[in-house]
Amino acid sequence: GAVVSQHPSRVICKSGTSVKIECRSLDFQATTMFWYRQFPKQSLMLMATSNEGSKATYEQGVEKDKFLINHASLTLSTLTVTSAHPEDSSFYICSAPIAGALNEQFFGPGTRLTVL
Amino acid sequence: SQKIEQNSEALNIQEGKTATLTCNYTNYSPAYLQWYRQDPGRGPVFLLLIRENEKEKRKERLKVTFDTTLKQSLFHITASQPADSATYLCALDAGNNRKLIWGLGTSLAVNP
Repeated sequence: GAVVSQHPSRVICKSGTSVKIECRSLDFQATTMFWYRQFPKQSLMLMATSNEGSKATYEQGVEKDKFLINHASLTLSTLTVTSAHPEDSSFYICSAPIAGALNEQFFGPGTRLTVL
Repeated sequence: SQKIEQNSEALNIQEGKTATLTCNYTNYSPAYLQWYRQDPGRGPVFLLLIRENEKEKRKERLKVTFDTTLKQSLFHITASQPADSATYLCALDAGNNRKLIWGLGTSLAVNP
């Protein structure tokens, strides 16, 4: 099956710093990628849809200036958490559907962000 | 608003038995429904997709049913194994832009 990677898998940072998370589709091209956040024992919450070559589409309540998304190529999307605070600590996961497939999504392994 | 409900309590079953997980939805008519498996600290893994015009779909030991009248999907794992222990998520298409709406998930523990 299709493989999606994320880097880093785990990051700890100080409050006020920015953190960049990369999401790569390894063996297919992804014009669209999705960024999710998941708190413990909670469901996946869609944050934004990343579109190659155009601006990301953010879900209601997600600050676009705080969560910067760049989808510069067909295999790479990045999420930057700017001026991170402890409440941003969470599990961030990206996914990508394969073009032409109905909508099964292939997920990255996730990034555990801890803001001190 | 659209709402998805899955068994909130963890399901514990004995190895070899059939596990049945439920996904109910309201205020919505999805074109298809998907089931994923998620292990702790990992991203979800796609298992099965069933369309609204399909009653049942099978894949090895997995079976999914989709009742659009009851607005319910059942997910079965037959001959369960301890390795099947995980959280199982139900997801519905959001109708546009390939987005999915996710349930909270049901934790399954298969005891040897």
